[in-house]
Amino acid sequence: DTEVTQTPKHLVMGMTNKKSLKCEQHMGHRAMYWYKQKAKKPPELMFVYSYEKLSINESVPSRFSPECPNSSLLNLHLHALQPEDSALYLCASSQALGGTGQYFGPGTRLTVT
Amino acid sequence: RKEVEQDPGPFNVPEGATVAFNCTYSNSASQSFFWYRQDCRKEPKLLMSVYSSGNEDGRFTAQLNRASQYISLLIRDSKLSDSATYLCVVGAGTYKYIFGTGTRLKVLA
Repeated sequence: DTEVTQTPKHLVMGMTNKKSLKCEQHMGHRAMYWYKQKAKKPPELMFVYSYEKLSINESVPSRFSPECPNSSLLNLHLHALQPEDSALYLCASSQALGGTGQYFGPGTRLTVT
Repeated sequence: RKEVEQDPGPFNVPEGATVAFNCTYSNSASQSFFWYRQDCRKEPKLLMSVYSSGNEDGRFTAQLNRASQYISLLIRDSKLSDSATYLCVVGAGTYKYIFGTGTRLKVLA
């Protein structure tokens, strides 16, 4: 099973709302990632968790707050977002030592109004 | 110079044609290389890893040239369903993957 699932598929939120994106994988991968992708651009790395610990934060604004409750789950908490944060948010997972490629979820398409 | 560069295309080819994409990378210490395909408004899907010895999966062949720092993807007997954006990805450390901007392929009937 090479599936990564994400919920919700679509999300519309106002600039004062708080919402969360969820990601789950059951491949036994110990590295999980959040990416942001704008139209016609490649994915941009936001965060990496390795063995449930935050390994990389690519200087992401604090209005995005990641959380890794366990080895299968990854959340992204959103608060006070701006319209320019509207994008496709992709979760991915990989084996912890890298070198084996990442598997992406279908993404959450976020619109901030 | 960008870390990973691809020709954005689009490459418009007829069904049955053979098409090749190249991707250059700047960090000579890079150790892992991949090709992904991404359909419009969908997630990237891992197509194949690229090994030093080259590798083939059906109609798809990937090659790595470390001396010239590029990887290539060859698609034989193109199908309409091959139309997508092909992303070159280079490993840059344990958890960092650098994405190229992608090459758009359109296979025409």
